[in-house]
Amino acid sequence: IAGITQAPTSQILAAGRRMTLRCTQDMRHNAMYWYRQDLGLGLRLIHYSNTAGTTGKGEVPDGYSVSRANTDDFPLTLASAVPSQTSVYFCASSGTSGNSYNEQFFGPGTRLTVL
Amino acid sequence: GQNIDQPTEMTATEGAIVQINCTYQTSGFNGLFWYQQHAGEAPTFLSYNVLDGLEEKGRFSSFLSRSKGYSYLLLKELQMKDSASYLCAVDAYSGAGSYQLTFGKGTKLSVIP
Repeated sequence: IAGITQAPTSQILAAGRRMTLRCTQDMRHNAMYWYRQDLGLGLRLIHYSNTAGTTGKGEVPDGYSVSRANTDDFPLTLASAVPSQTSVYFCASSGTSGNSYNEQFFGPGTRLTVL
Repeated sequence: GQNIDQPTEMTATEGAIVQINCTYQTSGFNGLFWYQQHAGEAPTFLSYNVLDGLEEKGRFSSFLSRSKGYSYLLLKELQMKDSASYLCAVDAYSGAGSYQLTFGKGTKLSVIP
């Protein structure tokens, strides 16, 4: 593994189904993030985690949940998918979310379609 | 909340210079990033400014004025491969010891021969 990986690459999902998007990083970064990117709306933060064991809500958290059991993994779960959750999902990580340089590194993205 | 504005689209000619502007309104400012995103790919880091002034990195430069809430990305000697979206992102304090990036909607740059 080099950097950040996401799985699956793409997925078509029936509305009402549960889905977990996976994200793993090998850079030992403390902070991790989930964004969705929609045409005309840009990247919007869903949830974040400043360090293992902690999570927080971003701009658009409704319908999503996350967990951070260890440093490397940050899965995003859609408990009951709806068509408005059709989007491209990016996971990102950074060394810190504190008062210092906070460059974020992005995974390749997951393209999710909810029908 | 934060408000970040950048043009939606721009077109420029190969070999030319283009400037992409970004204005922002925020509290707890901690720096401004520019990312490049090719179609169908992930954003990749271009530049970071936290102090006023110009940061130069090869063909790309980025400028920041904190008092004016203004930044620009300057691309020189444009190449066809520079056709991409350019995302302005503001890092700011969001409470409880956290800092978060808020992204503008991106500027889609098309480089034409």
